Amino acid sequence: DADVTQTPRNRITKTGKRIMLECSQTKGHDRMYWYRQDPGLGLRLIYYSFDVKDINKGEISDGYSVSRQAQAKFSLSLESAIPNQTALYFCATSDPQNRAGELFFGEGSRLTVL
Amino acid sequence: GQSLEQPSEVTAVEGAIVQINCTYQTSGFYGLSWYQQHDGGAPTFLSYNALDGLEETGRFSSFLSRSDSYGYLLLQELQMKDSASYFCAAHGSSNTGKLIFGQGTTLQVKP
Repeated sequence: DADVTQTPRNRITKTGKRIMLECSQTKGHDRMYWYRQDPGLGLRLIYYSFDVKDINKGEISDGYSVSRQAQAKFSLSLESAIPNQTALYFCATSDPQNRAGELFFGEGSRLTVL
Repeated sequence: GQSLEQPSEVTAVEGAIVQINCTYQTSGFYGLSWYQQHDGGAPTFLSYNALDGLEETGRFSSFLSRSDSYGYLLLQELQMKDSASYFCAAHGSSNTGKLIFGQGTTLQVKP
């Protein structure tokens, strides 16, 4: 089983719908992240959390919210989806003891907003 | 603003050596990482440079020059499986995965 699991892997929805992407991890890492990937733009940080009580905005947080339900779970919500939120979304974890801040990514959730 | 620049595409032949460059403009720079991604799959960590110089991990090496705001990833003895996208990413703080990524370089390895 994957250490970082994202659900759903693929989702097609309509403009205005509420969408939740879920992430769970078995790596025991305190730090979790949500990144978005668009073609030609690399990955951009949406939100990150360094522990259960800690939530921080990243580079592109507008239109998104997150919830850290437990050390192992970090969900991303789009309250009212719009077409330019069509993208590949990655959840990731890191260990604060790792000086490289190495990110361990899930397999991604491909979201299409029509 | 914060930005990283890397070539969009590189092509090389099997067995060759290829260098992927990355220049950066960021505030609070702590180091440079490299990630590999196959066909939209999960990115995987390759290397990290916090100090100037060369870090070697098997066929892959990474270099950083803080004074030049420049780094590169060197791939030796290229194999077909090395065909992938490679991202440089700048650390704005130490020991975290809070990164600014470049737009990625697609490497195509030909027989």
